Amino acid sequence: EAGVAQSPRYKIIEKRQSVAFWCNPISGHATLYWYQQILGQGPKLLIQFQNNGVVDDSQLPKDRFSAERLKGVDSTLKIQPAKLEDSAVYLCASSLGTSGGRQYFGAGTRLSVL
Amino acid sequence: QQQVKQSPQSLIVQKGGISIINCAYENTAFDYFPWYQQFPGKGPALLIAIRPDVSEKKEGRFTISFNKSAKQFSLHIMDSQPGDSATYFCAASRGSGNTGKLIFGQGTTLQVKP
Repeated sequence: EAGVAQSPRYKIIEKRQSVAFWCNPISGHATLYWYQQILGQGPKLLIQFQNNGVVDDSQLPKDRFSAERLKGVDSTLKIQPAKLEDSAVYLCASSLGTSGGRQYFGAGTRLSVL
Repeated sequence: QQQVKQSPQSLIVQKGGISIINCAYENTAFDYFPWYQQFPGKGPALLIAIRPDVSEKKEGRFTISFNKSAKQFSLHIMDSQPGDSATYFCAASRGSGNTGKLIFGQGTTLQVKP
């Protein structure tokens, strides 16, 4: 079974630039999550999709972050414009069901904002 | 109420020893408590999980002890091996009809010395 795929693995940008991350979840998984993991901290949920719809985006900085899930499969997370404090690893995860349970994580995208 | 507090921040154990990591939570509605293991450059991977209807769960060398009245749970790694050196995160969520959003602890970096 293929895991959660993320790209790119690394990205370096200057502040005020824009950046996008891509995630392909495990086939058949209904729920997709984007987490932000700042160095030395646990992952923090940014947004959660169930199929096409958003079920939780309470911690997404909506003035600069946006996300979409295309046809209930792939997802992109965008930051525009980036700030220094956005430097982190952005993790994508997926789960089979729609009310919790085991989440499978991708390797993440490490973003450095200079 | 949404926090999960994890300790210690770092831990050094000799090969063959017991590693113990503790977590505490406040929200009594949490009903799923997983532990994730993360190696450098990788995403977190589920290690073991427990629900509050049992006080202990064991899988190989890994055991979760759960104390519902104290709102605490811990991970015990028996016969710790150098390959166990990683960062460990506890987490908590509300399933059963809710979104299953995971709240992570801050993480514990474990080093097992040969």
